[in-house]
Amino acid sequence: NAGVTQTPKFRILKIGQSMTLQCAQDMNHNYMYWYRQDPGMGLKLIYYSVGAGITDKGEVPNGYNVSRSTTEDFPLRLELAAPSQTSVYFCASIRGEGEAFFGQGTRLTVV
Amino acid sequence: AQTVTQSQPEMSVQEAETVTLSCTYDTSESDYYLFWYKQPPSRQMILVIRQEAYKQQNATENRFSVNFQKAAKSFSLKISDSQLGDAAMYFCAYRSAMWDGGSQGNLIFGKGTKLSVKP
Repeated sequence: NAGVTQTPKFRILKIGQSMTLQCAQDMNHNYMYWYRQDPGMGLKLIYYSVGAGITDKGEVPNGYNVSRSTTEDFPLRLELAAPSQTSVYFCASIRGEGEAFFGQGTRLTVV
Repeated sequence: AQTVTQSQPEMSVQEAETVTLSCTYDTSESDYYLFWYKQPPSRQMILVIRQEAYKQQNATENRFSVNFQKAAKSFSLKISDSQLGDAAMYFCAYRSAMWDGGSQGNLIFGKGTKLSVKP
């Protein structure tokens, strides 16, 4: 069981560049989430999805976009990267009332 | 809106001793879940223990146990017989049990407690 696979693990972007963080899960979970983790802070919700074709904003959505064309995949798009987007990003999925399964995280640095 | 507070940014424990990490939360809901996650330097988020609010019995997983006080909105984690591998960031998290509202199962995290284990 692969669980939640998140790529890349590390990335350095220049200001103004764009990139997509990939997230895939093989557990047939409907609910998927993107979080960011800043130093000394807990994880904050960027976007979430309750199923294919349905997404919604979380607490800190500015500067990001998502799509959910399949149950398995939930990519996060950064447009016009800014230093404030330097963070560690986590993708997660949840099965019903069970626990959340997390990807291994992406450390993104914007310079 | 729900909030989770971890008032101890850092804690230290001697190997083989017991340590308790504190967590308080605020909610107007009666049905929810509480979690403790461990994050070692590898960054991986690892579920340590989970508690359903409707259960009065405190959850236990081997050396890890919780003290869940629903009326006080308190959810502390006790680690017994601490081991070097327990050194990590520990996050307390809340999740509503209501899936038709705006939260949609989102986890709300505290800021974390960094636990050091001394040999």
